[in-house]
Amino acid sequence: GQNIDQPTEMTATEGAIVQINCTYQTSGFNGLFWYQQHAGEAPTFLSYNVLDGLEEKGRFSSFLSRSKGYSYLLLKELQMKDSASYLCAVWNTGFQKLVFGTGTRLLVSP
Amino acid sequence: GAVVSQHPSWVICKSGTSVKIECRSLDFQATTMFWYRQFPKQSLMLMATSNEGSKATYEQGVEKDKFLINHASLTLSTLTVTSAHPEDSSFYICSARSNRVSEQYFGPGTRLTVT
Repeated sequence: GQNIDQPTEMTATEGAIVQINCTYQTSGFNGLFWYQQHAGEAPTFLSYNVLDGLEEKGRFSSFLSRSKGYSYLLLKELQMKDSASYLCAVWNTGFQKLVFGTGTRLLVSP
Repeated sequence: GAVVSQHPSWVICKSGTSVKIECRSLDFQATTMFWYRQFPKQSLMLMATSNEGSKATYEQGVEKDKFLINHASLTLSTLTVTSAHPEDSSFYICSARSNRVSEQYFGPGTRLTVT
């Protein structure tokens, strides 16, 4: 079966650092995506990890450990506009599709 | 990143009518397109996968006769909601993927309201 878990909600303050975790169990793993989605809008691509390790892209970084079935998205120097849902998604080679977690709603307060 | 467009961005229709939503990949050839539905405060739910020139593969529980998908070319896929009912009101999002797994991009979504 397939299972992707993320915390439902997180809160943080402007300027802080927040880490959003994602654990997964899936067969035919071929990469993990992170997307950002603002209310009423479509998801926008943040990162793609297929090998173990940390990928840094500006204020956002994404980490993957395939042996542990674990990823995290790290957001630094939080801004109010970072308030959004963050979706973890795993590419399943067998089914040839992205499997999404339930998403984490992040609220950044002043 | 690549650009995927959807049209219309929102639509209101009466119960019993049909609505067509277009999804276009603007700067790459999409070998596969995906259609998702999202209800408020929920994650994306995959409805169907379509490959250019072949029939769509529907997820369990999605009625293929109600949600007609046509992937006519490498840059265009359409979703037609037939005989729409109020419970079909939702946010419909398409996604286009090239041959590379890492290249999957979402359209801006279409908000459908059935009255």
